Amino acid sequence: AQSVTQPDIHITVSEGASLELRCNYSYGATPYLFWYVQSPGQGLQLLLKYFSGDTLVQGIKGFEAEFKRSQSSFNLRKPSVHWSDAAEYFCAVVGAGGTSYGKLTFGQGTILTVHP
Amino acid sequence: EPEVTQTPSHQVTQMGQEVILRCVPISNHLYFYWYRQILGQKVEFLVSFYNNEISEKSEIFDDQFSVERPDGSNFTLKIRSTKLEDSAMYFCATNRQFADTQYFGPGTRLTVL
Repeated sequence: AQSVTQPDIHITVSEGASLELRCNYSYGATPYLFWYVQSPGQGLQLLLKYFSGDTLVQGIKGFEAEFKRSQSSFNLRKPSVHWSDAAEYFCAVVGAGGTSYGKLTFGQGTILTVHP
Repeated sequence: EPEVTQTPSHQVTQMGQEVILRCVPISNHLYFYWYRQILGQKVEFLVSFYNNEISEKSEIFDDQFSVERPDGSNFTLKIRSTKLEDSAMYFCATNRQFADTQYFGPGTRLTVL
């Protein structure tokens, strides 16, 4: 069964500082990986995704993520955080085949607080 | 840019009542999903729907839940007899191809009293 772990429940950074949000996944075959962001009271917005190819993927709002198969990780990074990045971030995995039928499995989420 | 829409945005109901949550998928999308998020918890998969039938459902999706696409546009989630623990945000998501990016609606907050 596929699973996702986000070890950090809550992260606080200062505006302008760099950011890394951790994500580890478990899936037997090739995973498709996603990062979504959720602002308070809002739905889920896709930041970026990895299907195949270049393991460093670029997303919206200046975010990037790196897929490391050897570590089963897909960490999200941003070189300089803005106050508007304060939100909850979810890592998710879809199985590329087998019996998953395309369902997303989400991690617990990481709440990002940005100090001015 | 096309969006997934959901109605109502907030539904308050009494325990034991039936509720129907509605979703309008993006027009050329073929795969439809319902997820829920209990306050403070992670987003959980409920059910996937393709070609007018359920593809997969979670253990949460018991006999009290049903889905249908009655008119070729709306995609609905029905809860027959709501329980207190059904209180959550319910998200509809759709995509065009299997395992492709899922686009989420803004959610319906269901409160069961």
